[in-house]
Amino acid sequence: AQTVTQSQPEMSVQEAETVTLSCTYDTSESDYYLFWYKQPPSRQMILVIRQEAYKQQNATENRFSVNFQKAAKSFSLKISDSQLGDAAMYFCAYRTVMEYGNKLVFGAGTILRVKS
Amino acid sequence: GAVVSQHPSWVICKSGTSVKIECRSLDFQATTMFWYRQFPKQSLMLMATSNEGSKATYEQGVEKDKFLINHASLTLSTLTVTSAHPEDSSFYICSAGRDRGEQPQHFGDGTRLSIL
Repeated sequence: AQTVTQSQPEMSVQEAETVTLSCTYDTSESDYYLFWYKQPPSRQMILVIRQEAYKQQNATENRFSVNFQKAAKSFSLKISDSQLGDAAMYFCAYRTVMEYGNKLVFGAGTILRVKS
Repeated sequence: GAVVSQHPSWVICKSGTSVKIECRSLDFQATTMFWYRQFPKQSLMLMATSNEGSKATYEQGVEKDKFLINHASLTLSTLTVTSAHPEDSSFYICSAGRDRGEQPQHFGDGTRLSIL
């Protein structure tokens, strides 16, 4: 079974600075998707960025980018120019392919605090 | 964009009663819906996968008779917590996907369930 590990329970960053959240995963599949989700205090799940395993190029969405290392099974999220609104719990997730639908496997999450 | 509506957002009820939570896809047909449970400051745990017109697939350790899932139409899935007890108090989130091949990136806003 696939597993996702986020080794940083909490992280802090100064406003306007850059922070990197770590994520590693374990799988025997060659094709899959990886995601980062943000969950603010409202508890709404917001998709931040996604990465297809067959693509070598790292995904980027404005201030958010990933460092995808397939061989190392690592998928870190970099947040540049951090803003107060970035404060939230961040989940790394792996999509496994099922017979019906595609379920997500989530990591334990990292709480990100942004200091003004 | 796609919207998933979850209702109610918060419910408080007495021990022993049954509670129904609805998950609706508002602007697309969702052949697959997922139900998650989340404890405070913890990750999302998949409870079950439901497919329109067929029985739900429950994750290991989830009581089928306690958590009844119905996905009778392409826009509605319901989770009924039967004979609820205080230990069932939690945050429940649904997500929906368009077809069997798509990753369900569309999450509901969640339901906070409190059993007294």
